[in-house]
Amino acid sequence: AQKITQTQPGMFVQEKEAVTLDCTYDTSDQSYGLFWYKQPSSGEMIFLIYQGSYDEQNATEGRYSLNFQKARKSANLVISASQLGDSAMYFCAMRGGKLIFGQGTELSVKP
Amino acid sequence: EPEVTQTPSHQVTQMGQEVILRCVPISNHLYFYWYRQILGQKVEFLVSFYNNEISEKSEIFDDQFSVERPDGSNFTLKIRSTKLEDSAMYFCASSVGPQLDTQYFGPGTRLTVL
Repeated sequence: AQKITQTQPGMFVQEKEAVTLDCTYDTSDQSYGLFWYKQPSSGEMIFLIYQGSYDEQNATEGRYSLNFQKARKSANLVISASQLGDSAMYFCAMRGGKLIFGQGTELSVKP
Repeated sequence: EPEVTQTPSHQVTQMGQEVILRCVPISNHLYFYWYRQILGQKVEFLVSFYNNEISEKSEIFDDQFSVERPDGSNFTLKIRSTKLEDSAMYFCASSVGPQLDTQYFGPGTRLTVL
């Protein structure tokens, strides 16, 4: 069975600093996708970044990068230069069909 | 930029009543999904739909739930007889392809069952 684990229920970061949100996964599939979504307090789910299991390079999207370590089954999200608007819940998810979500990490950016 | 839309944004209903949640997926997407998120919990998969058929469903998606694509644009989730524990945020999502393609989510419908 597929499983996603996010061990950090809450994180604080100072504005303009970088922060890493942890995500580990478990699957027996050879081909899968890893995703990060942001959920602000308004409730919507915003797609941030995607990493395919066969991608050799770590994915990057603007200030977001995904630190993919396949042997360790980890897919950590790195947010550089944090902004106050980054305060939100962040969900790691895995796909081999449907999306399986982790429990989420609540990020608070302090001014 | 095209986006998934959902109506209504908030639905309040009495226990035992039927509700229909509506979604308009992104127009060139072929795969459609419903997820739910009980307050403070993680997002859970309910059902996936392709080519006018359910392709996968979770154990949550029991006989009181049904999905339909009544026309070329809408995708609906019906809950036949709502229970208190159905109170949650319901998200619709769509993707171009089935396996690894990104799923784009709508803004959600908050369902409150009294």
